[in-house]
Amino acid sequence: DAKTTQPPSMDCAEGRAANLPCNHSTISGNEYVYWYRQIHSQGPQYIIHGLKNNETNEMASLIITEDRKSSTLILPHATLRDTAVYYCIVRVSNDYKLSFGAGTTVTVRA
Amino acid sequence: DAGVIQSPRHEVTEMGQEVTLRCKPISGHDYLFWYRQTMMRGLELLIYFNNNVPIDDSGMPEDRFSAKMPNASFSTLKIQPSEPRDSAVYFCASGGGAGGYTFGSGTRLTVV
Repeated sequence: DAKTTQPPSMDCAEGRAANLPCNHSTISGNEYVYWYRQIHSQGPQYIIHGLKNNETNEMASLIITEDRKSSTLILPHATLRDTAVYYCIVRVSNDYKLSFGAGTTVTVRA
Repeated sequence: DAGVIQSPRHEVTEMGQEVTLRCKPISGHDYLFWYRQTMMRGLELLIYFNNNVPIDDSGMPEDRFSAKMPNASFSTLKIQPSEPRDSAVYFCASGGGAGGYTFGSGTRLTVV
């Protein structure tokens, strides 16, 4: 049961901001939005998570809409090393399982 | 911090043989997860532990699969007997709960 919907792929220009959308229209009040990415041949890497407020760290920013039905992960200055599969995951606060969908394959082009 | 350490990185075995995958989580992390990744099925959660106790093993595909966590610094995933369809990359991850989880580099298993 897919709780999130992401575009299968997207291209980004190196040096530009990359905006990755995610729909989670059935999200509940106690569910967080998590973002991970997986660079080819590596394990998934945690990026950021949030509940309802926007969040920012050294890797990215997470913008969650007021109704919480969608979110956007922003990579402020995409580099070639950001080419990866990006996963948007909804997780209940007291359930520690992460269920990965197909994600978005992001290709950063020079 | 060496991160989550998995061994071996690659394993090639013959059908019917026993395979043991190993994982050392990050010290202080209470949760440990085993995932399997294939092209067809993507990333699947097999089992996870909290404080060394298995909490949810509903993703373990068959009785041929078993996982243990004898202490806070070590976990194993065993397949006995192995079959070609078990070929996949197996990831171990650990975390403190509410934050993000750290994944290891994975073990690429090939069963011939």
